[in-house]
Parts: sequence; structure tokens; C-alpha cells
Amino acid sequence: DVKVTQSSRYLVKRTGEKVFLECVQDMDHENMFWYRQDPGLGLRLIYFSYDVKMKEKGDIPEGYSVSREKKERFSLILESASTNQTSMYLCASRSGRNTIYFGEGSWLTVV
Amino acid sequence: GEDVEQSLFLSVREGDSSVINCTYTDSSSTYLYWYKQEPGAGLQLLTYIFSNMDMKQDQRLTVLLNKKDKHLSLRIADTQTGDSAIYFCAETTGTASKLTFGTGTRLQVTL
Repeated sequence: DVKVTQSSRYLVKRTGEKVFLECVQDMDHENMFWYRQDPGLGLRLIYFSYDVKMKEKGDIPEGYSVSREKKERFSLILESASTNQTSMYLCASRSGRNTIYFGEGSWLTVV
Repeated sequence: GEDVEQSLFLSVREGDSSVINCTYTDSSSTYLYWYKQEPGAGLQLLTYIFSNMDMKQDQRLTVLLNKKDKHLSLRIADTQTGDSAIYFCAETTGTASKLTFGTGTRLQVTL
């Protein structure tokens, strides 16, 4: 069965802290994605990766970076968290048949 | 750039049919998707349709695609309270990896 796992479901961080959101998939997919979801705005793409050590900016990359050292793991990094980064973050990976599978989401609150 | 639009809210009675609509702007879209999100959860793929198809049926779900008008719809027959959720449409082109999402339609099923 397809599985995308986001290790942290709920986090509370202080302004200025460095935040790591981890995502692991067990399907050997090349493509992985990080989205953020905000009410009324739908899902917006932050970054995606189409292979190990490869990354592309999405629509809203400012304030974020990513790391893909292994095929199964894609990390989202907030170098210095700010309150406007309070959101739900969704990781996804993509199969060769163009089906995208999502994790359960990570709720981040920055205070 | 790509744009995907949905109405924000739909209310139906249990047992009735629900129709959730979506419009998109990218004429090169090759795959169109419907995802369901229950409260506090990630996105679950419901169904998808290739752009060379007009209709796809899967049990209670019927997807209709009008390529000329760039209009996609999801019909849920015999709507149940368990269908209450946010429904997202999304599109992608064959050569791009990213998926562009609509804002989501919240479906409320009343007794």
C-alpha cells in the first residue's frame, strides 16, 4: 500500500527558530513535493524534487529551503520561522502514472 | 500561468446527488484530478481523468470533462454524511511535475 509519512503532525515553534519538516515515502518515487495549505487559498507549491539532490522552486519558495539526500526522504526547512509561516504543510510523492500521493500533513504554529 | 477555480461551499441533503465544479485555464493540461480531504487529514486521491476522455465513472463518482470550456465536474450519487469533506480539483501537464490545485470546495451533507 502506498505510504507517505510526515513524522511531525503538530509543531509549535518560536519566531526565528529553525524548523525541519521531514517526509518519507516507501514507493521508490522520483518526484516529491512540499505544499502549504491555507484556508481560501488551496494548496500552493513551495518546492519539488525530481531526483536525489535535485530541486526546483515552486510558486512560493521564499523563506523555505529543501533537502533531498536520499530518494525516499524530502525535508522542508524554515531557516528562521516567522508567524506568516503558520500553516498546514503537505508532502506528496508522484508515481510514474502521474498519480500523486499525500501525507497526513504537518500543522505548524509559529508564535 | 495556470489557474484553477472552484466555488468554496456546497450543501446537499443526504441521498441527493452532489455536483462539484472546477474550471482551469491551462489548455495543455493532460491529467485532471479530484482529491478529498477530511478534517485534520491529508489529501486522498478519489479519481483522475486523462484529457482525451470526456467521462469517467467509478462507483458513485462520475467525472465529466469539457475540454472546450475547460470545465471539470465531480458528481457524487446518493451523497452520504461520510462524503462531507473538502474536495480539490487539480491539473498537471504531461511534461511538468507540479500539480496546480483549486481552492477547494467544502461539501456539507445535511440530514
